[in-house]
Amino acid sequence: ETGVTQSPTHLIKTRGQQVTLRCSSQSGHNTVSWYQQALGQGPQFIFQYYREEENGRGNFPPRFSGLQFPNYSSELNVNALELDDSALYLCASSWSRARSGDTQYFGPGTRLTVL
Amino acid sequence: DAKTTQPNSMESNEEEPVHLPCNHSTISGTDYIHWYRQLPSQGPEYVIHGLTSNVNNRMASLAIAEDRKSSTLILHRATLRDAAVYYCILRDPGTSYGKLTFGQGTILTVHP
Repeated sequence: ETGVTQSPTHLIKTRGQQVTLRCSSQSGHNTVSWYQQALGQGPQFIFQYYREEENGRGNFPPRFSGLQFPNYSSELNVNALELDDSALYLCASSWSRARSGDTQYFGPGTRLTVL
Repeated sequence: DAKTTQPNSMESNEEEPVHLPCNHSTISGTDYIHWYRQLPSQGPEYVIHGLTSNVNNRMASLAIAEDRKSSTLILHRATLRDAAVYYCILRDPGTSYGKLTFGQGTILTVHP
């Protein structure tokens, strides 16, 4: 069984640029969630995708967008990068979108630095 | 989302038990209590979850107070690999999506 993988591992961008981060979910999982983790803080929920549709969103502006593909892999896109977007971006997959006893499996994250 | 309160940090010695507390006085009757941990330079990792009864798995035990306003994660014999940030999270089944709301967590230091 393959776990959650993310690419790239590290990325450096400049302010105003756009970035795409990628995530492959664990085998059999149909739900992907994205989180942003600033240094020294707990992860913050960005949004969740279920069967290729955005299923819920946290307090992030529209320049944070995503996609989920038929194989349940996912992308996170961030436009017009700001310095505060520098963070670890985590992807998590799960069997279902809302069961409260469900477990989320996290990838190792992509470290984004905006200069 | 109902709020949890955890100590900022705790320390333990290797091979000793560790009790990590979490207060959640505003928990609703349907909130599940989840624990995740995050090792250095890794994504969070599921540890355990429960609703009302105490729970055990190969990683840890979860003791839930009778009034459910607090819980304790128990690591029976701490190892150096258990040094991590431990997050106590309440999951509300009423939402249509399963987001995890992380707090600051407890930084656990394990001494050899």
